[in-house]
Amino acid sequence: GNSVTQMEGPVTLSEEAFLTINCTYTATGYPSLFWYVQYPGEGLQLLLKATKADDKGSNKGFEATYRKETTSFHLEKGSVQVSDSAVYFCALFRSARQLTFGSGTQLTVLP
Amino acid sequence: DAGVTQSPTHLIKTRGQQVTLRCSPISGHKSVSWYQQVLGQGPQFIFQYYEKEERGRGNFPDRFSARQFPNYSSELNVNALLLGDSALYLCASSLSLGNTGELFFGEGSRLTVL
Repeated sequence: GNSVTQMEGPVTLSEEAFLTINCTYTATGYPSLFWYVQYPGEGLQLLLKATKADDKGSNKGFEATYRKETTSFHLEKGSVQVSDSAVYFCALFRSARQLTFGSGTQLTVLP
Repeated sequence: DAGVTQSPTHLIKTRGQQVTLRCSPISGHKSVSWYQQVLGQGPQFIFQYYEKEERGRGNFPDRFSARQFPNYSSELNVNALLLGDSALYLCASSLSLGNTGELFFGEGSRLTVL
C-alpha cells in the first residue's frame, strides 16, 4: 500500500538557519506529492506540490523536488523565520481519492 | 471568502455515546472529505463524499458513517464511542470529485472520549 515516512521531530532551529525535513514514500505508479503545513490553532494548508518526477514545488521560500529514483520529496528552506514555526506534513495522492500523510514534523524557530 | 467551517470546535463525550460533527465546505466546492488526526500522528482518511454519494472510504469500522446534503455540507457520525476515537476530526473540501490532492481543510473538531 501507499505510505509516507517523515523525519521525526521536533526540530528546533535559530532564525535564518537552513531547514531540511526529510520525506520518503512508497507507492505504486506515479503519485502526486505534497507538503501541508499546520500553524498553531489553524487547519492544514497546502504549502507546495509536485505532480511528476523532477518537478520542483515552491512557495513562501520553501522548496521540494520530486525524486523518483530515491522516492523522496525533502522540504528545504534557506533561511527560516519565527513565523515558520508549525507542523509540516508530507503527503501523497495516488488513487482511491485520499491523501496519505506522514506523521508530521514539529518545527520551532527561535529568535 | 469563508473557508471550510466545522462545528463544534471542541466536545467531550463518554464511552458508548454517539457524536455528530458538521462541516460546511467552501462555496462552490462539491466534494467533502473527512480525516481523523490522532495526537502526534498524521491525518487518516475516513470518507469522501461527492454529490451526496460516498465515493471513498478508509479503513474505519462501521461505527463511522457520514452523509452529504444537497447544499454540499456534511455530517460525520460516530456511534458507540471508544477511548481511541479521541482525535481531531478534519473536514476538507475540493472543487470536484477528481481532486488532485489539493484539499482545503477546516480547523477541525476536537473530540475527547472519557
